[in-house]
Amino acid sequence: DQQVKQNSPSLSVQEGRISILNCDYTNSMFDYFLWYKKYPAEGPTFLISISSIKDKNEDGRFTVFLNKSAKHLSLHIVPSQPGDSAVYFCAARTSATNKLIFGTGTLLAVQP
Amino acid sequence: DSGVTQTPKHLITATGQRVTLRCSPRSGDLSVYWYQQSLDQGLQFLIQYYNGEERAKGNILERFSAQQFPDLHSELNLSSLELGDSALYFCASSTGSNQPQHFGDGTRLSIL
Repeated sequence: DQQVKQNSPSLSVQEGRISILNCDYTNSMFDYFLWYKKYPAEGPTFLISISSIKDKNEDGRFTVFLNKSAKHLSLHIVPSQPGDSAVYFCAARTSATNKLIFGTGTLLAVQP
Repeated sequence: DSGVTQTPKHLITATGQRVTLRCSPRSGDLSVYWYQQSLDQGLQFLIQYYNGEERAKGNILERFSAQQFPDLHSELNLSSLELGDSALYFCASSTGSNQPQHFGDGTRLSIL
């Protein structure tokens, strides 16, 4: 049972444009969501998070939006840069446990 | 650099053997988490320790065990290894339950 889904395995965007990565979840008990970026041969790097009491969190070029009624979150990167090319994972957690449930990732390619 | 150190980076061994993976968390982090990433799969939570005590368990096989020592480093022990245990094993740490987890670069385990 895949509780966190990233339905787009890959995304290609031009440098300077917006990248939108999407994530859907099924467990309504999730209350904390995170996005991680992963380069080859490295561990996931924390990017940004959002609590379920909010619907938006912004940090520089990165903004995460949460739509609880649709059980959907998205990561916006504006403007996209070639160095943003990586695999992006969304993850979710319930307050009852600290374990993160990860999606399968989306490979973002930012073309110069 | 996340501050989480995992050793070794690569490990090659044979079926039926036993290995130990080591993780040093970020300075000050009391929680350590272990995840497994198999081919074409997202990260799967295995187990969490907090200040030396087991706090949460995921789908960890009985052949696998872990512990966290008084200096807060953690070890993941994998025994009676099977071909299907070949994967990337990540360790993460955090200061508390409501804080993001920060990941090491992983140990790549190959079973021949």
